[in-house]
Amino acid sequence: GENVEQHPSTLSVQEGDSAVIKCTYSDSASNYFPWYKQELGKRPQLIIDIRSNVGEKKDQRIAVTLNKTAKHFSLHITETQPEDSAVYFCAATGFGNEKLTFGTGTRLTIIP
Amino acid sequence: NAGVTQTPKFRILKIGQSMTLQCTQDMNHNYMYWYRQDPGMGLKLIYYSVGAGITDKGEVPNGYNVSRSTTEDFPLRLELAAPSQTSVYFCASSYSKDYGYTFGSGTRLTVV
Repeated sequence: GENVEQHPSTLSVQEGDSAVIKCTYSDSASNYFPWYKQELGKRPQLIIDIRSNVGEKKDQRIAVTLNKTAKHFSLHITETQPEDSAVYFCAATGFGNEKLTFGTGTRLTIIP
Repeated sequence: NAGVTQTPKFRILKIGQSMTLQCTQDMNHNYMYWYRQDPGMGLKLIYYSVGAGITDKGEVPNGYNVSRSTTEDFPLRLELAAPSQTSVYFCASSYSKDYGYTFGSGTRLTVV
């Protein structure tokens, strides 16, 4: 089955700087890669996703890149703000899987 | 649209008691999922369903049961509650396996 590894587990960034979170996956047939943000005490919420036919996708200050050859994808947050502080989860799914496989999460802290 | 609705939001159970966590969605999603999240940890899949009448085990199904008699509802049953089942339980739904999940607000369960 699919295995998703996520790094780093914690990340502290000065406000205004950029943050990058990386995930690797094991199943070369995976074709859908979403990212979720979970604020303290709240539910996970989808913030951006990418499919295997696309190499990069942007939405304002966040972007996701996908390298199918290396089987890794990354979340990039630019011009970080205090409200970006949260736990971020990557996930992957593909052919033969009926469910997402989640990474273990990255706790991002934005330092004012 | 209400999205995914979970009840109750909080519950305290005594060891050995049973309860049902309710989950309903109004988006006509075929795919529904139950996760548990222990404090400071990631999401663990308990059970999932790809349509009415179809359910399957996730990675941590022991001590739980589910049913899916309608597209809208996916209740999770806890039999003989144990302290190890103290957790936050999230229900989620999606249009298909490679679309983003919509999560409910969660049920915080404490077993004493």
